[in-house]
Amino acid sequence: QSALTQPASVSGSPGQSITISCIGTSSDVGGYNYVSWYQQHPGIAPKLLIYDVYKRPSGVSNRFSASKSGNTASLTISGLQTEDEADYYCGSYTNSITLVFGTGTKVTVL
Amino acid sequence: QVQLVQSGAEVKKPGASVRVSCRASGYTFTSYDINWVRQAAGQGLEWMGWMIPSTGNTGYAQNFQDRLTMTMDTSTSTAYMELSSLRSEDTAVYYCAAAPGSGSDYWHFDLWGRGTLVTVSS
Repeated sequence: QSALTQPASVSGSPGQSITISCIGTSSDVGGYNYVSWYQQHPGIAPKLLIYDVYKRPSGVSNRFSASKSGNTASLTISGLQTEDEADYYCGSYTNSITLVFGTGTKVTVL
Repeated sequence: QVQLVQSGAEVKKPGASVRVSCRASGYTFTSYDINWVRQAAGQGLEWMGWMIPSTGNTGYAQNFQDRLTMTMDTSTSTAYMELSSLRSEDTAVYYCAAAPGSGSDYWHFDLWGRGTLVTVSS
């Protein structure tokens, strides 16, 4: 199972919105509504931001939103803040009853 | 307090095996599936496999099919991950992570351990 494809880096200024893509196949992202997104700061375990394509766990800021179209999932961070600077990973269930993560995206706040 | 407490760092020689533990507290151990994820330094997340504590059933990523064993001890609410035939490329931080439920509808992880560094070096 190949990793889902994410851009290596995305940047934006405070207050702006950015979008991170996560490209898979019909065997994972496109075939199921089990896409999740994680935020990871250096040296710390990942934190769940989004699950089941667009659902936000309680306590996660509504500045984080997500969607899916075909084989591509997307995470949008609106009102970018300095604390949003981190690595972001998507994850998807696959038709092999496994999970695959994305390649990861480093978000830089300019 | 709901948490996953992992065992400490390990240093192993190539060809050896390592066992990492993950003790759950603050919730019913058999209610939430346990997954293992690893991350090499400067690299991305890699899913290794999952275990259903209520049944003991496991599923492994193809990359680890012949080297990975996940077990559990329900009496101590502890999950174990054992990786054999270690090589230098297995040097990574290994995380256990719990899904907020059990079964095929839960493929996201809202509770993570702090990670265990496994170093493979001769």
